[in-house]
Amino acid sequence: DQQVKQNSPSLSVQEGRISILNCDYTNSMFDYFLWYKKYPAEGPTFLISISSIKDKNEDGRFTVFLNKSAKHLSLHIVPSQPGDSAVYFCAAYPGTYKYIFGTGTRLKVLA
Amino acid sequence: NAGVTQTPKFQVLKTGQSMTLQCAQDMNHEYMSWYRQDPGMGLRLIHYSVGAGITDQGEVPNGYNVSRSTTEDFPLRLLSAAPSQTSVYFCASRSGQAWGGDTEAFFGQGTRLTVV
Repeated sequence: DQQVKQNSPSLSVQEGRISILNCDYTNSMFDYFLWYKKYPAEGPTFLISISSIKDKNEDGRFTVFLNKSAKHLSLHIVPSQPGDSAVYFCAAYPGTYKYIFGTGTRLKVLA
Repeated sequence: NAGVTQTPKFQVLKTGQSMTLQCAQDMNHEYMSWYRQDPGMGLRLIHYSVGAGITDQGEVPNGYNVSRSTTEDFPLRLLSAAPSQTSVYFCASRSGQAWGGDTEAFFGQGTRLTVV
């Protein structure tokens, strides 16, 4: 029973274009969401987060949108760069010291 | 400031062998956790600790033991390795000061374990 779902295992985007990574969740009680980025042979690193009281959070080229009614969030990367090629994990924080991670989306930015 | 350090980076075990994956953090974080990453499964929580002397089970705890005798260290023990435990293991820590999830977790570089 996957509570956080990333239905696209992979995504390819041309350099300079927008990358949109999607994440769906099942529990409306989740109150905080995070995106982590992972390069091969490295641990995940924090990218951006959003609280359920907001619908948008922006940090440079990265913007996360939250649609609570649809239980959906998305990460937008504009413009995409080759260095953004990585696996991106969406995570939900249900308020019990635990993160619940999605299965990840592998982004490839083509030069 | 090294962050979260995991050792070893790679390990091959035979079925039935035991071993300990080491994790240390130097950020004085209260919260530490172990995850495993498997293809198509994302990161799954094995065990976690909210402070020295306090541990609890995560989503997939069977076959693993943990203890937390100090703030800095959180070792993960495999008592009798099985091929199903072949995975990449990540240790993470974060400050436990916030009630919410708005404190990011810092991850180690991972341990790639193969059980044959």
